[in-house]
Amino acid sequence: DQQVKQNSPSLSVQEGRISILNCDYTNSMFDYFLWYKKYPAEGPTFLISISSIKDKNEDGRFTVFLNKSAKHLSLHIVPSQPGDSAVYFCAASWGGNNRLAFGKGNQVVVIP
Amino acid sequence: NAGVTQTPKFQVLKTGQSMTLQCAQDMNHNSMYWYRQDPGMGLRLIYYSASEGTTDKGEVPNGYNVSRLNKREFSLRLESAAPSQTSVYFCASSESPGAGNTIYFGEGSWLTVV
Repeated sequence: DQQVKQNSPSLSVQEGRISILNCDYTNSMFDYFLWYKKYPAEGPTFLISISSIKDKNEDGRFTVFLNKSAKHLSLHIVPSQPGDSAVYFCAASWGGNNRLAFGKGNQVVVIP
Repeated sequence: NAGVTQTPKFQVLKTGQSMTLQCAQDMNHNSMYWYRQDPGMGLRLIYYSASEGTTDKGEVPNGYNVSRLNKREFSLRLESAAPSQTSVYFCASSESPGAGNTIYFGEGSWLTVV
């Protein structure tokens, strides 16, 4: 049973607009959440993370929001750029270790 | 700076054959991981090594063995390949096994079992 869920597998957005990616989880023991970005034929690369004790973390154009009561997190990219076109994976870990559970990913296409 | 290097990049195996995926990292990281990604799925952890000399099962270890040869290298072996093991395999490493340590991934190895 998948513990990290990403619905709406694909998203198209105009350059300059905001991209919002959503992620839901079922395991209440998760205490660390991450977003990874993946281009075709490459490995995933780390984008941004958030600890369960926080509700927001911002890094440049990327902001992650965590709503623990709803077991939901989201990634906001603003403004979106053509180079942001990729697959984005939500991931989570628990128990203070680095063993990640991944969602299925969201394909983002940024239209110039 | 190569980061995490996997070989081979592509491999076709017949059912029942064995093979080893090699992985090496040059970042002096303590922890290493093997993940697989199936079409339309997220990555799933096969095995990991928190530190040199230790290995542990992940979410989907059946049909695989691993060896942490030294601090740099972590290999994944398929003893008797099955079509269900057709997948993209990613090796990864992090400075330590604790949460929050960035995991760096290799470029992936595409394995097809016919």
